[in-house]
Amino acid sequence: AQKVTQAQTEISVVEKEDVTLDCVYETRDTTYYLFWYKQPPSGELVFLIRRNSFDEQNEISGRYSWNFQKSTSSFNFTITASQVVDSAVYFCALREETSGSRLTFGEGTQLTVNP
Amino acid sequence: DAGVTQSPTHLIKTRGQQVTLRCSPISGHKSVSWYQQVLGQGPQFIFQYYEKEERGRGNFPDRFSARQFPNYSSELNVNALLLGDSALYLCASSYAGTIETQYFGPGTRLLVL
Repeated sequence: AQKVTQAQTEISVVEKEDVTLDCVYETRDTTYYLFWYKQPPSGELVFLIRRNSFDEQNEISGRYSWNFQKSTSSFNFTITASQVVDSAVYFCALREETSGSRLTFGEGTQLTVNP
Repeated sequence: DAGVTQSPTHLIKTRGQQVTLRCSPISGHKSVSWYQQVLGQGPQFIFQYYEKEERGRGNFPDRFSARQFPNYSSELNVNALLLGDSALYLCASSYAGTIETQYFGPGTRLLVL
């Protein structure tokens, strides 16, 4: 069965520090998709990135970067030069090809960026 | 374009009552999924509807039901409410419901007393 583990429940950093959020997944499918979502206090889940299992190329978008490694079943998310506005709960999610559109989420990591 | 909208934003019910939550997808999106997020946890999949047909169901009791209308909006119904049903209910839409990314609405916060 599919599973997503975000071992870091809470992380607190000072503004301008770099921070990495860890995500480890389990799946038996060879085709799957990984996602990161941001959830600010308002509650809405904001889509950040999607990667498919055949594309291990790392991606950078501004201060955000993602490291996908199939060998370790990890999909980690790094924020460079963090800002107070980055404070939120971040969720990693998995969708298996055989599970339709069902997303399996991790428990989330609460990131607090202090000024 | 407007994003996913949900109504109401907040709701308070008592045990045993019934509740209906509503969701309008992004224009052009034909698939709607529902998730339940209990405080401090990740969202849990409840249902997916595509072209007005149920395409997936999570591990939730039969008290939970949903439907999708011809305009692709959707309703989630929960009967015989329990205290444990208190949660944020999130609706997500995607174009076709398979590999496309799901975009979430702001959610409905349900409190059962």
